[in-house]
Amino acid sequence: GAGVSQTPSNKVTEKGKYVELRCDPISGHTALYWYRQSLGQGPEFLIYFQGTGAADDSGLPNDRFFAVRPEGSVSTLKIQRTERGDSAVYLCASSSAGTSGYNEQFFGPGTRLTVL
Amino acid sequence: QKEVEQDPGPLSVPEGAIVSLNCTYSNSAFQYFMWYRQYSRKGPELLMYTYSSGNKEDGRFTAQVDKSSKYISLFIRDSQPSDSATYLCAMRSTGNQFYFGTGTSLTVIP
Repeated sequence: GAGVSQTPSNKVTEKGKYVELRCDPISGHTALYWYRQSLGQGPEFLIYFQGTGAADDSGLPNDRFFAVRPEGSVSTLKIQRTERGDSAVYLCASSSAGTSGYNEQFFGPGTRLTVL
Repeated sequence: QKEVEQDPGPLSVPEGAIVSLNCTYSNSAFQYFMWYRQYSRKGPELLMYTYSSGNKEDGRFTAQVDKSSKYISLFIRDSQPSDSATYLCAMRSTGNQFYFGTGTSLTVIP
């Protein structure tokens, strides 16, 4: 596909459950970002991958959140013991290179997570 | 204090009006300044970016950055109903993190 895709588009879960959110970046993009966007707010940085490694995970709110990108392409954001406060849209973005200069981030449509 | 502050809106203007959207920031290390447009239930899409201070024009859109005042603006001329969306400013220093404003919801009334 031409753009960033995210699955599922919507996820409803119960408090305490485990969820996985998937991101398929644009082919060839080495940089991948996860953001969380709460209602009425702008995207909030969670984690940045350069290739397979998490170059910056300082935005992850606590140890219930974890993300992987084992082959340097698809990434999965994992949330354990979900809480109602985790309800938000989780956005993924990819770009063609790292932090030197400016490289446009292309965003996916997001996964809307609702924790009941 | 948040890294980036954005006028909350919402903003409603008649078709053809000039729209002014603004953000202020506190981190003097920011070097890249972006404006994104986000339609409902979609991801943000980049409208314009500016490196350091100055103006940049692209069609009906003009971005301005005043680093001395830590203030950025986006102007939309001859606004159209299709411009109705949420506009997000974003900033970055040399690091990895992009800092976004809260977004301003714009409605252009035909």
